[in-house]
Amino acid sequence: AQKITQTQPGMFVQEKEAVTLDCTYDTSDQSYGLFWYKQPSSGEMIFLIYQGSYDEQNATEGRYSLNFQKARKSANLVISASQLGDSAMYFCAMREVSGGGADGLTFGKGTHLIIQP
Amino acid sequence: NAGVTQTPKFQVLKTGQSMTLQCAQDMNHEYMSWYRQDPGMGLRLIHYSVGAGITDQGEVPNGYNVSRSTTEDFPLRLLSAAPSQTSVYFCASSFSKPGLGEQYFGPGTRLTVT
Repeated sequence: AQKITQTQPGMFVQEKEAVTLDCTYDTSDQSYGLFWYKQPSSGEMIFLIYQGSYDEQNATEGRYSLNFQKARKSANLVISASQLGDSAMYFCAMREVSGGGADGLTFGKGTHLIIQP
Repeated sequence: NAGVTQTPKFQVLKTGQSMTLQCAQDMNHEYMSWYRQDPGMGLRLIHYSVGAGITDQGEVPNGYNVSRSTTEDFPLRLLSAAPSQTSVYFCASSFSKPGLGEQYFGPGTRLTVT
């Protein structure tokens, strides 16, 4: 089973609208971290936001917020007031603290977001 | 701080050749890792290290070797390149567990094996 599922391969959104990018995850760990990265066409991986499994409040970073619903194992990224520069691939990722497997990030397949003027 | 640096940016190899992708960080991070990104996919973990002298395998380790002789450097060696290793390679670093904060990525190396 996939550990990170991003169900939206592509999205078109009008400039200035809010965007929600979906991410669901699968883990039996109690302690884990959830991440969102942006990858523009230039190829670099840009960290956007992080949520720890024990954090009670949803993480926010400027126009980005993470809608964390632990019981549903959901970690959606919300971008408020989208801009043309937000057009990029967006990846959801998870790092499990105590799972016996490899220690690293597990990524979803990404969502290609295109902001239209 | 330069952050995480990777060299080269681009590389073309012939099947069977070997090479080393370089990765360095100047943030005194204990944890370093290598990922590969294939078209239409997220990144997949190749190898990682939780400190100097300690390395371990990730999800897709076959065909790659790593070593960690210093905190700063974490080179990735392709022993005998194959076309299936054509990919973009990213190195990343972070503070080790239990801190689960941001992983810092290098700019990537685009490798083509013909």
